[in-house]
Amino acid sequence: NAGVTQTPKFQVLKTGQSMTLQCAQDMNHEYMSWYRQDPGMGLRLIHYSVGAGITDQGEVPNGYNVSRSTTEDFPLRLLSAAPSQTSVYFCASSSYLSGANVLTFGAGSRLTVL
Amino acid sequence: SQKIEQNSEALNIQEGKTATLTCNYTNYSPAYLQWYRQDPGRGPVFLLLIRENEKEKRKERLKVTFDTTLKQSLFHITASQPADSATYLCALDDSSNTGKLIFGQGTTLQVKP
Repeated sequence: NAGVTQTPKFQVLKTGQSMTLQCAQDMNHEYMSWYRQDPGMGLRLIHYSVGAGITDQGEVPNGYNVSRSTTEDFPLRLLSAAPSQTSVYFCASSSYLSGANVLTFGAGSRLTVL
Repeated sequence: SQKIEQNSEALNIQEGKTATLTCNYTNYSPAYLQWYRQDPGRGPVFLLLIRENEKEKRKERLKVTFDTTLKQSLFHITASQPADSATYLCALDDSSNTGKLIFGQGTTLQVKP
């Protein structure tokens, strides 16, 4: 049982390049989400999905795209990378504990945009 | 606007003492509040959940309180150990019933032997 797996762990991009951060979970969780973490800013929600085929925007969605074709996978696409997207990205999946959404996070993907 | 605040300054305490971390929020009416632990270079890990109708929750050396009138949660670690050194994040549901969690910026705890 691997939990939430993110790849790559590190990535360096040039401004304008595109890439996809991969996220997979093997817990059969319906809910998945992407956060970015910046110093002093905490975790900010980018996009989330309540099930296969359903996605919605979070607090900071601009410049990012997501899709959810299967329960297991929730990739995050950067369409044209900008230096402001330099950050650590966390994918999470959720189970409901006593009616509350409890997150299981991946190990993170550190992205640098030059 | 909705806001969650945790002490941005690191908390330094001596081993064996009780650490108390604070989470304040405004313009929310959360159904529950959660605390996560994050070690350097790793993703956050869920610790405790407390619901709006619960005043206090305990798990081993951890205790969480939730005061919806003050709009504040306190997170206590009793008999702290150097292994408790980490960043602790509080998180609230955003009251939209979509499962979205909003996180505070975290407080770093350093326990000195």
